[in-house]
Amino acid sequence: QSALTQPPSASGSPGQSVTISCTGTSSDIGTYNSVSWYQQHPGKAPKLIIYDVTKRPSGVPDRFSGSKSANTASLTVSGLQAEDEADYYCSSDGGRNNLIFGGGTKLTVL
Amino acid sequence: EIQLVESGGDLVPPGGSLRLSCAAAGFSVNNIYMSWVRQPPGKGLQWVALIHSDGSPTYADSVKGRFTISKDYSRNLLYLQMSSLRAEDTALYYCARSCGGAWCLSNWGQGTLVTVSS
Repeated sequence: QSALTQPPSASGSPGQSVTISCTGTSSDIGTYNSVSWYQQHPGKAPKLIIYDVTKRPSGVPDRFSGSKSANTASLTVSGLQAEDEADYYCSSDGGRNNLIFGGGTKLTVL
Repeated sequence: EIQLVESGGDLVPPGGSLRLSCAAAGFSVNNIYMSWVRQPPGKGLQWVALIHSDGSPTYADSVKGRFTISKDYSRNLLYLQMSSLRAEDTALYYCARSCGGAWCLSNWGQGTLVTVSS
């Protein structure tokens, strides 16, 4: 049950696009389309922003998009806004009845 | 409106036990996947346990044999019974509702803090 690998930090200026990667293995991301992304502001609970690799829950702006290639999933935030500054976590079905998370990426809006 | 409210967190000595509760509103815990996820202070998210829609549980290796997840359908509550607690179990514990599939967590509570220390 190794954690998925995310870069510890990412940054961009308002209006720019930023992509955060999430690398797993052929046993998790490479096999299952159950990749989700969560946004967490300081002191708050995580919020689901992407599920099933590319789907957005109701109310999540279309500036947030997800994709997957082989063993790596990605979250792209387009048109960065100040309120996008937060921690972002990916997760995937890990097979063998477990869920694995990435270590998290701190997104800074410059 | 869907709401989840956790309770039961406390300061517990190593080896001790604790039961966390999660009160659900706006939906029934029956016939839905529910999870517990924890977050150690200053660290990332860790999945702890899932209870399937049929009531069967599954656990992370780190808590297997020590934690038990269960549901009370009549009171619309989710529980996490924790025993043989260790310092590394110290975390903010969240309950979460799945969005359909088991591994997509669409609604989260605000968490309850468990501190394991002598």
